[in-house]
Amino acid sequence: DAGITQSPRHKVTETGTPVTLRCHQTENHRYMYWYRQDPGHGLRLIHYSYGVKDTDKGEVSDGYSVSRSKTEDFLLTLESATSSQTSVYFCAIKSGSYNEQFFGPGTRLTVL
Amino acid sequence: GQNIDQPTEMTATEGAIVQINCTYQTSGFNGLFWYQQHAGEAPTFLSYNVLDGLEEKGRFSSFLSRSKGYSYLLLKELQMKDSASYLCAGFNNAGNMLTFGGGTRLMVKP
Repeated sequence: DAGITQSPRHKVTETGTPVTLRCHQTENHRYMYWYRQDPGHGLRLIHYSYGVKDTDKGEVSDGYSVSRSKTEDFLLTLESATSSQTSVYFCAIKSGSYNEQFFGPGTRLTVL
Repeated sequence: GQNIDQPTEMTATEGAIVQINCTYQTSGFNGLFWYQQHAGEAPTFLSYNVLDGLEEKGRFSSFLSRSKGYSYLLLKELQMKDSASYLCAGFNNAGNMLTFGGGTRLMVKP
């Protein structure tokens, strides 16, 4: 357990509404990541952060923005949710002997 | 892009040995991870290879050939609880991002 929590764990929303997902860590890790996981696509990186206010895009960043105003929190925002953003979202931190990534429990988002 | 390929599904028998293969483009990756993911749960770290050869961890072993862009995860003495998806992931040269394959769903049958 790398002290990572995600909230909410489940959310159902409607197309066009804004949605913010929160990732919280308690162990002062520098790197944090947001992934989405869909059948047939595995885990795909959306955005990542390498420090407070330092973020960069991943493979599937269109339609998503992130913010990191504190070390412990990394927020993922869907400005105007679409049905294609229905997915399971995982947050991760980088740590360990091999700089492996540890994942939070995930957020299941459904956009109707 | 930097593709990572692995079989979609595999089936094996309890007590047997199974090998899950992963191939990737040799440029752009520095090290390979294997993760296990049970249905409805988060991925958990299994192993990491940065040098060629075999890394053994109990019932699980992972092999890497950097020149061939090839890795495999070997699971011995299969148990029913090993039924899960196994994800292969490449570490980029800067060491700050992982690229995942689509995952291999392993079903262990009695």
